[in-house]
Amino acid sequence: EPEVTQTPSHQVTQMGQEVILRCVPISNHLYFYWYRQILGQKVEFLVSFYNNEISEKSEIFDDQFSVERPDGSNFTLKIRSTKLEDSAMYFCASSDRGGYSYNEQFFGPGTRLTVL
Amino acid sequence: RKEVEQDPGPFNVPEGATVAFNCTYSNSASQSFFWYRQDCRKEPKLLMSVYSSGNEDGRFTAQLNRASQYISLLIRDSKLSDSATYLCVVNMRNTGNQFYFGTGTSLTVIP
Repeated sequence: EPEVTQTPSHQVTQMGQEVILRCVPISNHLYFYWYRQILGQKVEFLVSFYNNEISEKSEIFDDQFSVERPDGSNFTLKIRSTKLEDSAMYFCASSDRGGYSYNEQFFGPGTRLTVL
Repeated sequence: RKEVEQDPGPFNVPEGATVAFNCTYSNSASQSFFWYRQDCRKEPKLLMSVYSSGNEDGRFTAQLNRASQYISLLIRDSKLSDSATYLCVVNMRNTGNQFYFGTGTSLTVIP
């Protein structure tokens, strides 16, 4: 069964450092997403990406964040200067349909980011 | 204001019991509804989509009431493996693709 993969599974970084989280979405999917979940809290939307551009982003997704699809398979989330409050689990998701239909999203296993 | 609200539980039920979870959403423009399950420190996994007519998948039944902006999930004959957090998820027409998650309802099935 096809699945979304993410690397690394755990990233520890110092405050102020840049991190790049990587995702490989399901191969025939066209819509890609990043969510985050702070420990003990709900899953929160960060950004959606379609046709090589951001289609939506939340208030959380400020200028410190960026996304890229550098090639035909990878989808990355970059945090330029990490803060303590960026510590969370970051989930990548993909779907084969957009939001105007039932767009079941399939989630990767997540990257746990710890900012010290 | 929370877009999606759930009773956080926890629900502790014996094996074989029937348990129901409820969820309400605030935006009447919501158009797609899902139940996901999340095991501890794992990713959300799609359990089932929730359609207007209601739908069933084995021991799981989902219902949608658009007038009351209410979604439910019924689990019959609970198994130990059903222990997880159940996430109510809503997609709103005016915000395209993003999912709004509830905080989740914790279920523990006891032997």
